[in-house]
Amino acid sequence: NAGVTQTPKFRVLKTGQSMTLLCAQDMNHEYMYWYRQDPGMGLRLIHYSVGEGTTAKGEVPDGYNVSRLKKQNFLLGLESAAPSQTSVYFCASRTASGVSYEQYFGPGTRLTVT
Amino acid sequence: GEDVEQSLFLSVREGDSSVINCTYTDSSSTYLYWYKQEPGAGLQLLTYIFSNMDMKQDQRLTVLLNKKDKHLSLRIADTQTGDSAIYFCAERGTGGFKTIFGAGTRLFVKA
Repeated sequence: NAGVTQTPKFRVLKTGQSMTLLCAQDMNHEYMYWYRQDPGMGLRLIHYSVGEGTTAKGEVPDGYNVSRLKKQNFLLGLESAAPSQTSVYFCASRTASGVSYEQYFGPGTRLTVT
Repeated sequence: GEDVEQSLFLSVREGDSSVINCTYTDSSSTYLYWYKQEPGAGLQLLTYIFSNMDMKQDQRLTVLLNKKDKHLSLRIADTQTGDSAIYFCAERGTGGFKTIFGAGTRLFVKA
């Protein structure tokens, strides 16, 4: 049981390049989330999904797209990277119901855009 | 809108108690959480409290909830160097899909 995994762990992009971050979970969770973490700003929600084939915008969705074609995977795309997207990206998942609605987090992807 | 605020830094000596404070705005929050983030890792749930409780104790951790003032605190007794981490306060957002996180309090434990 690997929990939530993220690929890649580190990436450096030049301005204007594109990339896709992959999140995978093996806990059969319905909900999945993408956050970015910046110093002094905590976690900000980019996009989330409440089930396979569905996505919704979070707090800071501009410049990002997402897809949830399979229940276990949630992809985050950057079409044209900008230096403002330099950040640490975390994926999380949770069940739709439960005792605490706890979110389970991946280890993060550190992205630098030059 | 929903917002969670907490101070950014706290420094304590090993063996002392640490108290991390948080305020939130959504009075209808049903769950309030403390997550811990160790260096280079993702967040992990440390403890949570349901809104109809005012205190929860779990070994060295004590969570206090003051619903009237919308204030949540986390007390760590006998703080150890291994407790050095960032601690995030969070509330279950309206609608239930989202969790609203504070900016995180970085706890430094001096030996």
